[in-house]
Amino acid sequence: DADVTQTPRNRITKTGKRIMLECSQTKGHDRMYWYRQDPGLGLRLIYYSFDVKDINKGEISDGYSVSRQAQAKFSLSLESAIPNQTALYFCATSYRGTKYFGPGTRLTVT
Amino acid sequence: EDQVTQSPEALRLQEGESSSLNCSYTVSGLRGLFWYRQDPGKGPEFLFTLYSAGEEKEKERLKATLTKKESFLHITAPKPEDSATYLCAVRNPNPDNTDKLIFGTGTRLQVFP
Repeated sequence: DADVTQTPRNRITKTGKRIMLECSQTKGHDRMYWYRQDPGLGLRLIYYSFDVKDINKGEISDGYSVSRQAQAKFSLSLESAIPNQTALYFCATSYRGTKYFGPGTRLTVT
Repeated sequence: EDQVTQSPEALRLQEGESSSLNCSYTVSGLRGLFWYRQDPGKGPEFLFTLYSAGEEKEKERLKATLTKKESFLHITAPKPEDSATYLCAVRNPNPDNTDKLIFGTGTRLQVFP
């Protein structure tokens, strides 16, 4: 079984809709992250959390929010999706600086 | 500005043809350089961490090396299953300790039989 799982794996939604991406991990790591990946831009950090009570903005947090429901669960929400949020989204955990990524969610906003 | 640049953007090799991928970086106070492999439609998979100039790490046909300004990922006698995008990232010391990684845009490697 995968250590970091993401649901859904693919999602198509319309402009203005609210959408939530979910991430669960069984690695027992405290630190969790959300990244987005766009062609030619590399991976960029959206939000990160060091524990259930600690949430921090990354470099591109505008238009996104997160919730850390438990040590093992970290969800990302797009309150009102827009087309330029079309991207691959990855959840990750971290231990001693090394990131462990989930399989990704391909999100398309039409 | 902290930056990571990978070259080439794409590389096509014949099976068995050894080559190297480059990752050059400009950060103040390197606290680790990471190599990841990413297959299409999947998340990056951790390969190596290097911390100091002169350090080397090996795994099967891959060897990563580090200098003060760049890292190389050497691929010896590659096979088609080595085809993937290889990502480089550096960890920068931050006052707020974010574990922030700065990623390059990757080298897309294709190995043909």
